[in-house]
Amino acid sequence: DTGVSQNPRHKITKRGQNVTFRCDPISEHNRLYWYRQTLGQGPEFLTYFQNEAQLEKSRLLSDRFSAERPKGSFSTLEIQRTEQGDSAMYLCASSLAQGGSRSNQPQHFGDGTRLSIL
Amino acid sequence: SQKIEQNSEALNIQEGKTATLTCNYTNYSPAYLQWYRQDPGRGPVFLLLIRENEKEKRKERLKVTFDTTLKQSLFHITASQPADSATYLCALAKYNFNKFYFGSGTKLNVKP
Repeated sequence: DTGVSQNPRHKITKRGQNVTFRCDPISEHNRLYWYRQTLGQGPEFLTYFQNEAQLEKSRLLSDRFSAERPKGSFSTLEIQRTEQGDSAMYLCASSLAQGGSRSNQPQHFGDGTRLSIL
Repeated sequence: SQKIEQNSEALNIQEGKTATLTCNYTNYSPAYLQWYRQDPGRGPVFLLLIRENEKEKRKERLKVTFDTTLKQSLFHITASQPADSATYLCALAKYNFNKFYFGSGTKLNVKP
């Protein structure tokens, strides 16, 4: 079990640039989540995939944010025209959902991508 | 939306004592409540999950209680050790697990 892998671990970019992060979930997990976490706060839900379908999106996710999960495996999160307020840790988590909701398993998180906007 | 409150002040305790952390929530009662541990610069690590029809759950030195009347969960670490020092997050989810709401976490410091 290699766990959830996120790349890069750190990203520093100038305001206005586009950035893309990658998440590789645990291989048998069919659910994938993206969160954003700022200092002193808990993770805030951004979006969620069941296999390749993006089923829910937070209002926090503006038009500048887009996420994909082609073929239901890895996922990418892109931020266009970055702003100072986008500076945060971006966390990815995966879980396995089987059958009824009672069998759902908890999330496993990666160590995140820390984004700093200059 | 769900509001979750965890004590923002750090909890400082002596090694060997029991640490008790609180998670209070408003609005709807979640189907699941989970506790995570987070170390600086790392992602959260899952510890325990408790369902709305369960009052208590244990795992080694950890114990979680869930009181849907009080809308509160308590997280206990018995015989605490300096290695238990971290931030502890509670998270709530509905039945379909589509969306999780996290508290802001409580930092625990266990002094030798």
